[in-house]
Amino acid sequence: GQNIDQPTEMTATEGAIVQINCTYQTSGFNGLFWYQQHAGEAPTFLSYNVLDGLEEKGRFSSFLSRSKGYSYLLLKELQMKDSASYLCAVRDRSSGGSYIPTFGRGTSLIVHP
Amino acid sequence: EPEVTQTPSHQVTQMGQEVILRCVPISNHLYFYWYRQILGQKVEFLVSFYNNEISEKSEIFDDQFSVERPDGSNFTLKIRSTKLEDSAMYFCASSEIGQATYGYTFGSGTRLTVV
Repeated sequence: GQNIDQPTEMTATEGAIVQINCTYQTSGFNGLFWYQQHAGEAPTFLSYNVLDGLEEKGRFSSFLSRSKGYSYLLLKELQMKDSASYLCAVRDRSSGGSYIPTFGRGTSLIVHP
Repeated sequence: EPEVTQTPSHQVTQMGQEVILRCVPISNHLYFYWYRQILGQKVEFLVSFYNNEISEKSEIFDDQFSVERPDGSNFTLKIRSTKLEDSAMYFCASSEIGQATYGYTFGSGTRLTVV
């Protein structure tokens, strides 16, 4: 299985930049996802990384380093509506070829005015 | 934008009762999933379904659970004899392809409360 580690909670100011880190341990890495989840709602897909490097999508970017077992989600120009939990999910092909990602516990981001 | 629809949004049931949670996945998606999230905890995989059969299931998905696609649109999760610890948010999800490189589309969830 995977060991996925994220900070439990982060706070930031509206308009600022925040970086949410995720570290993982797998023996057959096959992709990393970031999801956003507002309280009481379903997770919504943000990004997918399978190769090293930075993927940019508007105000959100996701970075992956497979050799370090490390990813981060970068949120720029923070808005109040970005207050949510950010879930890192990792897929490990070592478990019999599974395509099913395992979710971390999530990082609760609080954006202050 | 296409969405995954789940009903009911909230279900309260007595311990030992059977419940059926319903989902309508996105129409051109081929892979369907059930996840659950106990309050304050992480999202956990239960089962995946493709081509009218279970393709993977987790340790949580024991004999008390079953899934069915009774017609061309619905995808259901049945819990035969609910326990207190089954209280959670249950999310249905679907994806166009198995690798889901565009991620899953989750429904808005059914909050199950077992009393």
